[in-house]
Parts: sequence; structure tokens; C-alpha cells
Amino acid sequence: DVKVTQSSRYLVKRTGEKVFLECVQDMDHENMFWYRQDPGLGLRLIYFSYDVKMKEKGDIPEGYSVSREKKERFSLILESASTNQTSMYLCASSLWGEGLNYGYTFGSGTRLTVV
Amino acid sequence: SQKIEQNSEALNIQEGKTATLTCNYTNYSPAYLQWYRQDPGRGPVFLLLIRENEKEKRKERLKVTFDTTLKQSLFHITASQPADSATYLCALYSGNTPLVFGKGTRLSVIA
Repeated sequence: DVKVTQSSRYLVKRTGEKVFLECVQDMDHENMFWYRQDPGLGLRLIYFSYDVKMKEKGDIPEGYSVSREKKERFSLILESASTNQTSMYLCASSLWGEGLNYGYTFGSGTRLTVV
Repeated sequence: SQKIEQNSEALNIQEGKTATLTCNYTNYSPAYLQWYRQDPGRGPVFLLLIRENEKEKRKERLKVTFDTTLKQSLFHITASQPADSATYLCALYSGNTPLVFGKGTRLSVIA
């Protein structure tokens, strides 16, 4: 069964901490994405990557950075966590081109609370 | 500005009836549209894709229509069951950019 695995289901961090959210996929997908999901705001794209070492800003990149050193792993970094970054973070992956017919595969999410 | 709207935040329906969810968009020219299901505390799961040149797509009890003139997609679940209760998201793909998601409709099927 194909999978996107996010390292933590729940995380509590202090304001100002540097936070790493890890995402690993085992499907050899080229594309990987980080979204955050908040009530009433839906899914918002933070960063995405179409290839190893490539990264592109999404709609809300401020306060975040990403790293993709290997094809299967896409990390989201909160440089200095703030309370307004409390959210559900969802990682997704997909194939390129016609592979998009199969949609995105999402991880189970990381619920991050910043106190 | 570009907008995707799922008209109902929540929809309640009796078991056995057909649930119909709406997705409208403005200022997009989507190549295709996808529908996802999301259960509480979980990530969305891909259900169906429909292309701009397709009018209708079916998968078991699910049916999706796509009207590029009206800029609207309808998502139907026939013979709905309590297990169909979830949030349903539509998503647009316009080209070389990531999917853009609607905010979702929370469906409750009442026994």
C-alpha cells in the first residue's frame, strides 16, 4: 500500500523554537507539497517541490522554509515558531504529468500547537 | 481574483437519499477537477478526476459532472450511508501549478 508518512501526529512546541516536520513517501513520486489546514480557511499551500533540491513558494511561505535533499523526503521548517502557526500540517505527493490522474496522496497530518 | 467555492459548509441528508455537493469556480480555466474525501483528523483521500472535455464520470455510487460553461462541478453520492459522512473537497488543476482546493463541504448522513 502506497504511503506518505509524516513523522509526528501531534506536536507541541514553544514560541521561538525551530520546528522540523518530516514527510517521507515510498511511491517514487516526483512532486511533493506542504499544506496547512485551518477551520474556515481550507487547505493553503506553503511550499512545493517538483524535483530533488528544487523548491517553490506557495501561497503562504512566510515563516517557513523547506528542504528536499532526497526524492522521497520533504521537510518543512518553521524557523521561529509563533502561535499563529498552530495548525494541521499536511504533506502530499504526486506523480508528474499523466500521473496526476491518480490525484495527490496525503499523509495523516501533523497537528502542531505552538504555546 | 481566482476563487473556488463549495456552496455549502455543511449538508445533512437522510440515509438512502442522494447527496449533491456543488463546486463553483471563477477566473480559472481548469484542465481538470478532482474530488477528495477527508475524515476528521486525517488527510484527504482522492476519489475522482474529471477532465474539461468530460461531462460526467462515475465510480460505484459516486457521480461527478463538470460544466465549463457554468464553471461548476456537481458531486453526487447515491443511496447515501452513514459511512459516507465526511468532508468533501474539490480541487482544480489549471496547468503547471499545484492543485487549488476548495474549503470543503461537511456531509452528515443521518440514519
